[in-house]
Amino acid sequence: QVTLRESGPALVKPTQTLTLTCTFSGFSLSTSGMCVSWIRQPPGKALEWLALIDWDEDKYYSTSLKTRLTISTDTSRNQVVLTMTNMDPVDTATYFCARIGDIAVAGYGMDVWGQGTTVTVSS
Amino acid sequence: SYELTQPLSVSVALGQTARITCGGNNIGSKNVHWYQQKPGQAPVLVIYKDINRPSGIPERFSGSNSGNTATLTISRAQAGDEADFYCQVWDSFSAEVVFGGGTKLTVL
Repeated sequence: QVTLRESGPALVKPTQTLTLTCTFSGFSLSTSGMCVSWIRQPPGKALEWLALIDWDEDKYYSTSLKTRLTISTDTSRNQVVLTMTNMDPVDTATYFCARIGDIAVAGYGMDVWGQGTTVTVSS
Repeated sequence: SYELTQPLSVSVALGQTARITCGGNNIGSKNVHWYQQKPGQAPVLVIYKDINRPSGIPERFSGSNSGNTATLTISRAQAGDEADFYCQVWDSFSAEVVFGGGTKLTVL
């Protein structure tokens, strides 16, 4: 069974750096075609893609946020970590990680999602 | 950057067919994926690569993609289908995932 779970602080102060961890099981990120992506959703608003790391550890970032984002993986611990610098109240959102199971078969469709973790940015 | 346009809301009578569109420049040349998100829950993939249903998704959900419009069709709409729906593509030019703005489906 494939599962993903996000973890991180519920509250961060403006200007701080946010570090979120996606811990997954049931698959290996080293498998060809596999990817893990981060997505966020501000309250009452649409999904916004943030970053993606693939089986080759190639990394892709949202153009609008790339200067603030870093995605990395610890394959031995089955984790993908996202850091976002210089947090602002507008970054208040639920942050999801999701798996892309095999881009050759399913394109970049995200077939399994974590439950999400809510992050509030406030002083 | 690439943009996807969805109607803010779509209404459908119980048992009828709902169609949710996703517009983008030459979107027919891209793989489109669709997600259903119910309040307080994570999104669920309901269609991948334009027309394919993941296991466990009812046959009532179908997709198409041509020209500048992709469409998610929900046949025999049920009250339980009420949700927000998002389309998504991979834009190879900018190497980014792009989501549409989402459509709220209401079943009357």
